[in-house]
Amino acid sequence: QSALTQPPSASGSPGQSVTISCTGTSSDVGAYNYVSWYQQHTGKAPKLMIYEVSQRPSGVPDRFSGSKSGNTASLTVSGLQAEDEADYYCSSYAGTNNLIFGGGTKLTVL
Amino acid sequence: QVQLQESGPGLVKPSETLSLTCTVSGFPISNGYWWAWIRQPPGKGLEWIRSIYHSGSTYYNPSLKSRFTMSVDTSMNQFSLKLSSVTAADTAVYYCARETYGKVDYWGQGILVTVSS
Repeated sequence: QSALTQPPSASGSPGQSVTISCTGTSSDVGAYNYVSWYQQHTGKAPKLMIYEVSQRPSGVPDRFSGSKSGNTASLTVSGLQAEDEADYYCSSYAGTNNLIFGGGTKLTVL
Repeated sequence: QVQLQESGPGLVKPSETLSLTCTVSGFPISNGYWWAWIRQPPGKGLEWIRSIYHSGSTYYNPSLKSRFTMSVDTSMNQFSLKLSSVTAADTAVYYCARETYGKVDYWGQGILVTVSS
């Protein structure tokens, strides 16, 4: 069970858009529409931002959106704000192996 | 509102067994969902350990299955994790959480467990 692949860092200026990728395999990301994204500020527990590829939980701004193509999922943050600076993790359901996380991406708002 | 709270020792000696408990409030464990333990070594990413259903069925990370066990106590609305023969590599923040099909929608605040003599 290998971790999903995310870029270690991403950045953008306030108001801009940034996209973070999450690459898996045909056994996890490619096999199920159960990709989630989490935001984690330093010293805090992760917070669910996107589930089932593109669904937003109540209370998550619509600036956050998700998509998937083949074995790669993506999180797009539009209209970047200072409070979006955090670590972002993707995860995918993987059948009987259940849950795989990505290595995380540190998003910096310049 | 669903809330989860981890409890257990913050310091464990090498080779000992770590025991953690997660107390759930605002939602009966017996009502469904899977209940998970996820850990995060200092400065590193998240690692799913294992999930348990109220019936006692479990799914586990095949890379970690040998030293972890989970149990659930629906009467106390708690679930627990035991990790045997700990080493320094097990030092991490341990989170308990509610999940279904990989969607982790509620997390505890996390408990830092340090393995050191």
